Amino acid sequence: DGGITQSPKYLFRKEGQNVTLSCEQNLNHDAMYWYRQDPGQGLRLIYYSQIVNDFQKGDIAEGYSVSREKKESFPLTVTSAQKNPTAFYLCASRGTRFYQPQHFGDGTRLSIL
Amino acid sequence: QKEVEQNSGPLSVPEGAIASLNCTYSDRGSQSFFWYRQYSGKSPELIMFIYSNGDKEDGRFTAQLNKASQYVSLLIRDSQPSDSATYLCAVNANGTASKLTFGTGTRLQVTL
Repeated sequence: DGGITQSPKYLFRKEGQNVTLSCEQNLNHDAMYWYRQDPGQGLRLIYYSQIVNDFQKGDIAEGYSVSREKKESFPLTVTSAQKNPTAFYLCASRGTRFYQPQHFGDGTRLSIL
Repeated sequence: QKEVEQNSGPLSVPEGAIASLNCTYSDRGSQSFFWYRQYSGKSPELIMFIYSNGDKEDGRFTAQLNKASQYVSLLIRDSQPSDSATYLCAVNANGTASKLTFGTGTRLQVTL
């Protein structure tokens, strides 16, 4: 089945530690996105990529980093510089036509130990 | 002014009634509009999209678009308790070919 796979489902981070969230898609989409969602809040865009080897900062990129070495993969690293990382992280992908929707993965829930 | 605005709710409707969810957007050149449903603790799932003025129906759901008024709505007929969720409006604004802008969502509660 085509879709977006995020792993792990739950992740715990120690103080001062970097952690990486995985996102893989087999929808052949060019564009991929990372969002953060805090309890009771909307989606906030962290980073997005429209093509391999290129990505742009979203609204809240500080403390995060990404790479896009393959079309299928868009991992997100939450660095130790992100002081409040506890949130629900959502990865999405989309085709290039204006009418195409974003498809979301199931999300990763990150907590501080 | 926010780019995409939704009333946060909660919007409470009795079972079997019509729920009407509204969304306004600021970019007059916006091209396409999407409604997502998000259950608590889950990821958003697409319900409908629309890009032409007028109504688009899919089962119990109808999306309505009025570009002149910069307004898009979602009607849910015969509301069920399982429709209780947060509904997100997303807009593909002009000049942002691959980026959607999301509203903060409206929480719908369908009461028995």
